[in-house]
Amino acid sequence: DGGITQSPKYLFRKEGQNVTLSCEQNLNHDAMYWYRQDPGQGLRLIYYSQIVNDFQKGDIAEGYSVSREKKESFPLTVTSAQKNPTAFYLCASSIGGDRDQETQYFGPGTRLLVL
Amino acid sequence: DAKTTQPPSMDCAEGRAANLPCNHSTISGNEYVYWYRQIHSQGPQYIIHGLKNNETNEMASLIITEDRKSSTLILPHATLRDTAVYYCIVRGPNAGNMLTFGGGTRLMVKP
Repeated sequence: DGGITQSPKYLFRKEGQNVTLSCEQNLNHDAMYWYRQDPGQGLRLIYYSQIVNDFQKGDIAEGYSVSREKKESFPLTVTSAQKNPTAFYLCASSIGGDRDQETQYFGPGTRLLVL
Repeated sequence: DAKTTQPPSMDCAEGRAANLPCNHSTISGNEYVYWYRQIHSQGPQYIIHGLKNNETNEMASLIITEDRKSSTLILPHATLRDTAVYYCIVRGPNAGNMLTFGGGTRLMVKP
């Protein structure tokens, strides 16, 4: 089945620890995104990548880092510099390119909790 | 991108049509209207999108007013599984690939 997978479903982080969230897609999409969602809130964009080996900061990039070494993978690292990392993290992908219409498809999400 | 305004919550009886409104009075001529929904603790799901004509697919219908300042998402026969937060998003070509999610409407379908 084509789609986006995120792992793990739940992740626990100790204070001062870096953790990496996985996102993989087999849709052959060029663009990938990471969003953060806090309880009762909408989604906020952390980072996005429109093509391999290139990525840009979103609205709330501080305390996060990403890499895009392969088209199908876009891992997100939550660093110790992120002071309030507890949230629901969502990865998405889209066909990409300079298009008027752009539908994003989302993974199931990873819930990060700080111990 | 134009901002959108949606009611924070709505109720609908099971089996009836759910009509979810969205105001986007500052929408530009080349901006599309997108609808997504998010069932609790899951990733958002794409529903439908349109520019100025009404659109229909297997999930829903999208009615856009002639002046394009508002739209309505219609779920023709709501079921309990349609209980979710529904997001109306306006996006133009200058946004790159970005979608900006606001607060959405929490739809509760009741038996």
